[in-house]
Amino acid sequence: SQELEQSPQSLIVQEGKNLTINCTSSKTLYGLYWYKQKYGEGLIFLMMLQKGGEEKSHEKITAKLDEKKQQSSLHITASQPSHAGIYLCGADVGGGYQKVTFGTGTKLQVIP
Amino acid sequence: DGGITQSPKYLFRKEGQNVTLSCEQNLNHDAMYWYRQDPGQGLRLIYYSQIVNDFQKGDIAEGYSVSREKKESFPLTVTSAQKNPTAFYLCASSPAPIYYEQYFGPGTRLTVT
Repeated sequence: SQELEQSPQSLIVQEGKNLTINCTSSKTLYGLYWYKQKYGEGLIFLMMLQKGGEEKSHEKITAKLDEKKQQSSLHITASQPSHAGIYLCGADVGGGYQKVTFGTGTKLQVIP
Repeated sequence: DGGITQSPKYLFRKEGQNVTLSCEQNLNHDAMYWYRQDPGQGLRLIYYSQIVNDFQKGDIAEGYSVSREKKESFPLTVTSAQKNPTAFYLCASSPAPIYYEQYFGPGTRLTVT
């Protein structure tokens, strides 16, 4: 089973609509990171969350960390076609050395 | 412009052949990583290097080898021992110790038939 589960796996929304992507860890989180990937390309680092209750924003994208639930949510307000892509969460779940464990990704399509 | 380059973008090989994927960075980062991405499985760490002439196995190192002779270069060799080599391979680097802020290359899609 995956250490980091993302939901939904894919999402199709109409331009202008809001949406939320969730990332749940089966292990204690020491840090949670969000990345965006355009299909067939590398990842772009969006933001990092480290403390429970912490909330950060990057343009119209807001992410929040619920440490007790071992979960993070990423919310996009008034989606635009430029938001389309694959969103991956990453986390430091321990393991003896500093590394990022990645979730399976959520594919987002925004329809004009 | 600083960044990470991977070449080639697409690579085709016959089964049983070793193949080397290139990764170069001019960001002056100490740490470099190789990941493999398969549909529905996210990214899995193959190897990482925190400093020149040193590297460590990741979660799925079997069938792969790397070298780190120069700070800016971290080539990955996919050997014939790798049972399912067809995948999308991503190279990344980070300014140690900020290991989570990784900068990724555009990736190499390897197809082995």
